Amino acid sequence: TQLLEQSPQFLSIQEGENLTVYCNSSSVFSSLQWYRQEPGEGPVLLVTVVTGGEVKKLKRLTFQFGDARKDSSLHITAAQTGDTGLYLCAGDAGNNRKLIWGLGTSLAVNP
Amino acid sequence: DTAVSQTPKYLVTQMGNDKSIKCEQNLGHDTMYWYKQDSKKFLKIMFSYNNKELIINETVPNRFSPKSPDKAHLNLHINSLELGDSAVYFCASSPRPGHFHGYTFGSGTRLTVV
Repeated sequence: TQLLEQSPQFLSIQEGENLTVYCNSSSVFSSLQWYRQEPGEGPVLLVTVVTGGEVKKLKRLTFQFGDARKDSSLHITAAQTGDTGLYLCAGDAGNNRKLIWGLGTSLAVNP
Repeated sequence: DTAVSQTPKYLVTQMGNDKSIKCEQNLGHDTMYWYKQDSKKFLKIMFSYNNKELIINETVPNRFSPKSPDKAHLNLHINSLELGDSAVYFCASSPRPGHFHGYTFGSGTRLTVV
């Protein structure tokens, strides 16, 4: 069974701090997606990474796909309270069927 | 305009009842999904339809029956509800099967079985 492990599971920081969350697997993925889920809402797609070593930036968020396409990281610079939420990664094994989901990192940014 | 809308938002019902959750998307996507999110926030795929045809049917009790009258709608009917069915159910859509373009999720239906 393919699994995606996310770490840390919980993170509570002050506004203005930087943070990195990780998504790791022993399996290779053809692509990997990051979503943010706010309380009472569904996950919202942030980015899809496809190429090993790829780096994508979305304002203060930087996403990296590992060279071997087995892991990914999300770095947030100068976190804001609006960044609070559950960050989920999901990997595509390339068999055109289901995504493999991680359990998420719950981020709380305090004012 | 809501892209993926599901109703109801909250559903509280007694064990043994039958209930339905409705989902509609106005994105013109071909593929729709039902996911279950448990109390630990794990998202588990239940079903997927592509243009009204069932393409993913995970190990789900046969008390759960999806129906897709057209590619813009995917409903979920649950018979003989059990306590363990309590969870948040999400509908999602994507342009086509495969995941490169990502999913658009609805805001969820919180089902509580008492």
